Amino acid sequence: EPEVTQTPSHQVTQMGQEVILRCVPISNHLYFYWYRQILGQKVEFLVSFYNNEISEKSEIFDDQFSVERPDGSNFTLKIRSTKLEDSAMYFCASSEALREGNIQYFGAGTRLSVL
Amino acid sequence: GESVGLHLPTLSVQEGDNSIINCAYSNSASDYFIWYKQESGKGPQFIIDIRSNMDKRQGQRVTVLLNKTVKHLSLQIAATQPGDSAVYFCAENRGSGYSTLTFGKGTMLLVSP
Repeated sequence: EPEVTQTPSHQVTQMGQEVILRCVPISNHLYFYWYRQILGQKVEFLVSFYNNEISEKSEIFDDQFSVERPDGSNFTLKIRSTKLEDSAMYFCASSEALREGNIQYFGAGTRLSVL
Repeated sequence: GESVGLHLPTLSVQEGDNSIINCAYSNSASDYFIWYKQESGKGPQFIIDIRSNMDKRQGQRVTVLLNKTVKHLSLQIAATQPGDSAVYFCAENRGSGYSTLTFGKGTMLLVSP
């Protein structure tokens, strides 16, 4: 069964450092998403991406965040200068379309620990 | 404000029992809902979805009920098994043209053998 894959599974970084989280969406999907989940809290939407541009973003997704699809398979989330409060699980998701019935399939996540 | 929330943070059941997990939503414009299961250390896993033009949908051992009048969603799991132990999230989507999924807080389902 096709799945969304994320690397690394755990990323430890120092405050102020840049991190790049990587995702390989399901191959025939066209819409890509990043979510985060702070420990013990609900999953929060960050950004959606389609046709090489951001289609929606939340208040969390400020200038420190960026997304990119550098090639035909990878989808990345970059945090330019990490803060302690960026520590969370980051989930990538993808879906076939935006039409009604938009099932988003999630990866296993990357745990980001900012020290 | 807009929110999706859950009534019970933890539900403990015996193996073989039926489980019901509830969810309230407040956005009347939401027209598509999804239940996800999240096991420890894993990402949300799709269970079942329902569109707003339906009030019930059944899957394998799971049923989702939607009551738009009171903005309430429930997930019923029949013959609950220990492998069903996980956190269950409801999520809403405002449908075509909107990609954001808004998740509820989650309910922990604990199934005892």
